[in-house]
Amino acid sequence: GENVEQHPSTLSVQEGDSAVIKCTYSDSASNYFPWYKQELGKRPQLIIDIRSNVGEKKDQRIAVTLNKTAKHFSLHITETQPEDSAVYFCAASINNNDMRFGAGTRLTVKP
Amino acid sequence: DGGITQSPKYLFRKEGQNVTLSCEQNLNHDAMYWYRQDPGQGLRLIYYSQIVNDFQKGDIAEGYSVSREKKESFPLTVTSAQKNPTAFYLCASSTTGGWEKPQHFGDGTRLSIL
Repeated sequence: GENVEQHPSTLSVQEGDSAVIKCTYSDSASNYFPWYKQELGKRPQLIIDIRSNVGEKKDQRIAVTLNKTAKHFSLHITETQPEDSAVYFCAASINNNDMRFGAGTRLTVKP
Repeated sequence: DGGITQSPKYLFRKEGQNVTLSCEQNLNHDAMYWYRQDPGQGLRLIYYSQIVNDFQKGDIAEGYSVSREKKESFPLTVTSAQKNPTAFYLCASSTTGGWEKPQHFGDGTRLSIL
């Protein structure tokens, strides 16, 4: 079955710097890749997603890139702010049959 | 934050007891899901339902049961057969099409053993 690995498990950056979180997946048939943000004590919320027919997607300070050949996708957050501090989860779905989540990355943005 | 409501927020289980976690949504979504979240791990799927009166086991269904009698409701029962139930449980829903649609999560229920 699909296996999703996420790195790093923790990430600390200074306010204003960029943050990058990377996920790798095992099944080349995976075709949908969402990213969720979970603030402390709150529910996970979708922040951006990408499908396999697109290489990059951007939404203001957040972008996701997908490398199908290498089977990895990354979340990029630019000009980080303290409110970006949260746990971020990646996920991968295979042909609408399943979804697997990464273990999460705890991002801390220091003011 | 409306849309999907989980209750209770905190729940305690005694040995040998079954407990039921509630999940209700008013988003008119066809699909609903239950996940378990443990520290340092991603979300693991317990059960999911793509349509009323139908549900499928996820990766860690043993010791759990569900029902889907109404579109709006997808309760999860943690049975006494689940020997390590202490975890954070998240319910989610999505529109028809399931896995390739964004999932909307509830606020979760934290279950502990007494």
